[in-house]
Amino acid sequence: NAGVTQTPKFRVLKTGQSMTLLCAQDMNHEYMYWYRQDPGMGLRLIHYSVGEGTTAKGEVPDGYNVSRLKKQNFLLGLESAAPSQTSVYFCASSYSWGAGWTSNQPQHFGDGTRLSIL
Amino acid sequence: QQQVKQSPQSLIVQKGGISIINCAYENTAFDYFPWYQQFPGKGPALLIAIRPDVSEKKEGRFTISFNKSAKQFSLHIMDSQPGDSATYFCAASTASTSGSRLTFGEGTQLTVNP
Repeated sequence: NAGVTQTPKFRVLKTGQSMTLLCAQDMNHEYMYWYRQDPGMGLRLIHYSVGEGTTAKGEVPDGYNVSRLKKQNFLLGLESAAPSQTSVYFCASSYSWGAGWTSNQPQHFGDGTRLSIL
Repeated sequence: QQQVKQSPQSLIVQKGGISIINCAYENTAFDYFPWYQQFPGKGPALLIAIRPDVSEKKEGRFTISFNKSAKQFSLHIMDSQPGDSATYFCAASTASTSGSRLTFGEGTQLTVNP
């Protein structure tokens, strides 16, 4: 059982280049999320999805696009990379909301993608 | 705007000591307060969580204390061990049909010396 798998683990880009980060989960989770982690800033939500074919903006969506064509996959795209997007990117997934206390489902994280933009 | 403030940024504790990490929040609509633990090169993993209608939750050596009126909550690690050395994040969210949108604190890097 792999859980949440992120591809690639490391990448170096030049300013202006584009790339796609792939997240795959095998837990049949409805919800998926993309975060970026920067020193002293915790994790900040970029985009998220509450189901196949749906996406929504998080706290810091500018410069990123996402797609969820299949339930198990969530893709994060950088159309024109900028040095400010140098970060560690984490994907997470969780079950959907239930009722009451059980509505708070834990998020399961991948091991991250370290992205450097020169 | 950081809605969840965490302190200290780093913490060094001797083996067997008590580690205490504090968080404060602003949004009174938050109703779920988890703590995540992250080891180097790994993603965060849920450690323990509390809801605002209880003042304390304990799981083994880990305890969350919650003060609703002060809008503060803290993580206590009793009998701290070198294996507890990691980065700890507090977080908060609201029950919503729009997904479990966690707001994270800045993180605390804990080092437990042997």
